[in-house]
Amino acid sequence: QVHLQESGPGLVKPSQTLSLTCTVSGGSVSSGDFYWSWIRQHPGKGLEWIGYIHYNGNTYYNPSLRSRLTISIDTSNNHFSLKLTSVTAADTALYFCARGIIADMLHFDLWGRGTLVTVSS
Amino acid sequence: ELVLTQSPATLSLSPGERATLSCRASQSVRNYLAWYQQKPGQAPRLLIYDASKRATGIPARFSGSGSGTDFTLTISSLEPEDFAVYYCQQRDNWLTFGGGTRVEIK
Repeated sequence: QVHLQESGPGLVKPSQTLSLTCTVSGGSVSSGDFYWSWIRQHPGKGLEWIGYIHYNGNTYYNPSLRSRLTISIDTSNNHFSLKLTSVTAADTALYFCARGIIADMLHFDLWGRGTLVTVSS
Repeated sequence: ELVLTQSPATLSLSPGERATLSCRASQSVRNYLAWYQQKPGQAPRLLIYDASKRATGIPARFSGSGSGTDFTLTISSLEPEDFAVYYCQQRDNWLTFGGGTRVEIK
């Protein structure tokens, strides 16, 4: 059974870089059938798509975050990562990694449990 | 940006009742719409994709319908575990989620 697990610092200072990793177990990030994705949820709010990556390295970013965002994939270690630069309090959120099924309609069938990141000095 | 508007924001119902949730898109998304359920402290769970296809393991009481700009998620008879927040999601124009509908116990 495939599981996704987010990891990374829970506290980041303003203007610094937020870095998270999603480790995939029970399956391979090298499958061509999926986009490996990041989605966040501000406290008490709805869901915001951040971006996703294919194992071939193709990335798709939310236009509102693109200038600060890098998503990468490490097929050797079976994980993918998120880097968000110049963070502010507005980046405080619960960050989920998820598996997106490539089909006519991209949808997310597996999610990690999420990791809370707080931006504060 | 394509906007998904969910209504109502909150739905107060009793177990056994029928729930009808709406998701309206600001422009056509064809049938490229998914629905998710989220309970407190948990990640979202995929319920429906392609507007009407149930995901693996989802009970038959959940059904989706619609195309173009107007979509509906119906829960035919609410079970206690169905009280949660529901989100729609589109991928026809970038990727966005609706603001959610909370289904609460009346």
